[in-house]
Amino acid sequence: QKEVEQNSGPLSVPEGAIASLNCTYSDRGSQSFFWYRQYSGKSPELIMSIYSNGDKEDGRFTAQLNKASQYVSLLIRDSQPSDSATYLCAVSRLSGGGADGLTFGKGTHLIIQP
Amino acid sequence: SAVISQKPSRDICQRGTSLTIQCQVDSQVTMMFWYRQQPGQSLTLIATANQGSEATYESGFVIDKFPISRQNLTFSTLTVSNMSPEDSSIYLCSRDGHIGYRASGRGVMSEQFFGPGTRLTVL
Repeated sequence: QKEVEQNSGPLSVPEGAIASLNCTYSDRGSQSFFWYRQYSGKSPELIMSIYSNGDKEDGRFTAQLNKASQYVSLLIRDSQPSDSATYLCAVSRLSGGGADGLTFGKGTHLIIQP
Repeated sequence: SAVISQKPSRDICQRGTSLTIQCQVDSQVTMMFWYRQQPGQSLTLIATANQGSEATYESGFVIDKFPISRQNLTFSTLTVSNMSPEDSSIYLCSRDGHIGYRASGRGVMSEQFFGPGTRLTVL
């Protein structure tokens, strides 16, 4: 049974600080990893994808992957109130990445305090 | 990114009836996916709709309850049959978007984008 685990939160971070979101997964065969942001009442929006060990940076967002530890994280620098949302970690087993059904964690509710 | 539309955006249905949800994507794709998000929960994959073959269902989901059609490379439908209040959820379709090839040469890199969802309430 494939599982993706996240701390449900809420995680409260002051504006301007770094928010750190974590995710672990059980399937060692997982190949592709994604972070989605979901605002209340909206559908998930892709924030980051990462496919190999190490860090990947995109603007204020950095995704980190450690396959040996089966761990993936998302860092949000200079947090803004607009970053307040639920962040979903998703993994895919096949090498096709998004061309494969995704397994989602339950999400972490992030609150950025002004 | 991608442009994906779903119809209806929301509906309220009576127990025992069926609802068909439509999903239209902006470019031709082989794979489309259907997910369910129950209240306060995360997304769960229902099935993969592959053009030219029968849909592949995940454990816990069956074709009789959730028949899926893939009419062409940009359109798919999901029917929720013989509904009960437990079927009250948001139903989302998605499609993949190829972004490149892995440095290892093994496999592609592809991302998945979601439609706005259909919010279904069953009374």
